[in-house]
Amino acid sequence: DIQMTQSPSSLSASVGDRVTITCQASQDIRNYLNWYQQKPGKAPKLLIYDASNMETGVPSRFSGSGSGTDFTFTISNLQAEDIATYYCQQYDNLPFTFGPGTKVEIK
Amino acid sequence: QVQLQQSGPGLVKPSQTLSLTCAISGDSVSNNSAAWNWIRQSPSGGLEWLGRTYHRDKWYYAYALSVKGRITIKSDTSKNQFSLELDSVTAEDTAVYYCARDHLEYSSYFDYWGRGSLVTVSS
Repeated sequence: DIQMTQSPSSLSASVGDRVTITCQASQDIRNYLNWYQQKPGKAPKLLIYDASNMETGVPSRFSGSGSGTDFTFTISNLQAEDIATYYCQQYDNLPFTFGPGTKVEIK
Repeated sequence: QVQLQQSGPGLVKPSQTLSLTCAISGDSVSNNSAAWNWIRQSPSGGLEWLGRTYHRDKWYYAYALSVKGRITIKSDTSKNQFSLELDSVTAEDTAVYYCARDHLEYSSYFDYWGRGSLVTVSS
């Protein structure tokens, strides 16, 4: 199985801050990487697919980049409603695997 | 708008079978550009893909090795739904179970999810 790691596991930032989360795959997954946002008690929500493509309706402050084994997810202007846990997910090989998540809180 | 409506018991006894159903509206379980998945989330928060089914020239199934031998995913075209059966459950199978659509046209991503079903394995 492809192992996904994320860092940090949690972070605290102020409204308006730029927030960056990294995701690393245990092998080359090309750009087959998606990002999800999950709020408490809710299902995950797709934000970014294919490493850098924004899902329809997602605010432009969310972005993603990377390829191969190293990926970055950025919130350019953190808002209070962005409080959530963010997960990366690879689909290069079955089984699909997720990162352990990064919990984002407001300082 | 695609909607996935989950149903099934929230409490299952150890060694018994966990059964969940995901009813699809706004799409078809036979859609040649989609796959229908089950994903679970443990109490500690980790997400684990369990398996999927999809239709092309025939029905295909794929399962995670972690549950292979215990899992069955079925599709029901007459009811436009798919289901999960997980046999011989233990406390480690306690989780929130999600059904999700995998959009497969040019890429692969889970774009629609059910609301989740908390299943507790306990006597």
